[in-house]
Amino acid sequence: RKEVEQDPGPFNVPEGATVAFNCTYSNSASQSFFWYRQDCRKEPKLLMSVYSSGNEDGRFTAQLNRASQYISLLIRDSKLSDSATYLCVVKGGSTLGRLYFGRGTQLTVWP
Amino acid sequence: DGGITQSPKYLFRKEGQNVTLSCEQNLNHDAMYWYRQDPGQGLRLIYYSQIVNDFQKGDIAEGYSVSREKKESFPLTVTSAQKNPTAFYLCASSITVGGGQPQHFGDGTRLSIL
Repeated sequence: RKEVEQDPGPFNVPEGATVAFNCTYSNSASQSFFWYRQDCRKEPKLLMSVYSSGNEDGRFTAQLNRASQYISLLIRDSKLSDSATYLCVVKGGSTLGRLYFGRGTQLTVWP
Repeated sequence: DGGITQSPKYLFRKEGQNVTLSCEQNLNHDAMYWYRQDPGQGLRLIYYSQIVNDFQKGDIAEGYSVSREKKESFPLTVTSAQKNPTAFYLCASSITVGGGQPQHFGDGTRLSIL
């Protein structure tokens, strides 16, 4: 079983739509959680960390459910510039603290 | 500006040739990492280093080698033993390996076989 599983997408939505991505992780001892954004042929960039109580950054809301080992990202009022691949990333529970990456969910926002 | 610099951006290798990808950071981070990304795939860890003069194998270390002689530098050599080296290579760093700090990435090197 993969460490991190994501909705494969692609998601094609109109501007202004609300879209939600889901992600599950297999290691219950995982400590830290992140969403990264990756534009085509570019490096991943940190979008936001995910905290236990849930957190919001402008139009983006991230939630964590440790009991279900489930992470979500909600994007409200989608913009054309949100088109990218969104990577769910989990930091392992060992002292090593290595990151495990999902394959990513591709989002295309159309006008 | 602080950041991670990878070079070259594009690299072409002949069969049987070793090539070295450069990664330099001026963020004063202890930990550095090398990943490989293939189309439609997630990032896979090749090697990581927690501190100078120390490094560990990741999930796909075969055919690769690294060194960490300076805190700022973590070069990756793709040897001729790596039979399928064509990929997007990403270097990352973080303050330490442990803790809740995220990793920050360089802009990558695309390696292709001639």
